[in-house]
Amino acid sequence: NAGVTQTPKFQVLKTGQSMTLQCAQDMNHEYMSWYRQDPGMGLRLIHYSVGAGITDQGEVPNGYNVSRSTTEDFPLRLLSAAPSQTSVYFCASSSQGGGNTEAFFGQGTRLTVV
Amino acid sequence: RKEVEQDPGPFNVPEGATVAFNCTYSNSASQSFFWYRQDCRKEPKLLMSVYSSGNEDGRFTAQLNRASQYISLLIRDSKLSDSATYLCVVKGSGGYQKVTFGTGTKLQVIP
Repeated sequence: NAGVTQTPKFQVLKTGQSMTLQCAQDMNHEYMSWYRQDPGMGLRLIHYSVGAGITDQGEVPNGYNVSRSTTEDFPLRLLSAAPSQTSVYFCASSSQGGGNTEAFFGQGTRLTVV
Repeated sequence: RKEVEQDPGPFNVPEGATVAFNCTYSNSASQSFFWYRQDCRKEPKLLMSVYSSGNEDGRFTAQLNRASQYISLLIRDSKLSDSATYLCVVKGSGGYQKVTFGTGTKLQVIP
């Protein structure tokens, strides 16, 4: 049972570098999202997608891009890394169906920008 | 005002104690409510959903008060293994279900 798979688990970037955090889910979930988690700030929504070809901004979208070309994949791109983007990033997916549907998380990516 | 608010704690309680966490939400149209548990340096995982009539899962009881827009989690007979951060989660309504997390309440159960 793969669930939500995030790669890499750890990454160190230099300021100005770009990179893509990968997220894939095998549960055929429509809804996927990216969060960052910082001490004292909780989980903050970066971008989300309600289905293939549809994305929207969350609470803290600046400096990040996303795309959703397939139901399974939802990569997060850092365009030009900054020290303020040092954080733990989580990808999540859930069914868009009604009712109390659970969100499943990847194991997280610990990113340090130096 | 934050969409979902929680007391960050930490709550330090002895083993066997009963502890309660509250969470308030601002969007009265919110449809679904959850408590997630997050262990240190791990991903959040679903603890339990919260139903309008209240629900129980072993030592854990969740309550929803739509009129006052708050959710509660009660943990009875606390175990050392209950030490974690508990996240309140609210899902929106309409054409999509936006998920909003509270900042979490840290629980430390002490021997």
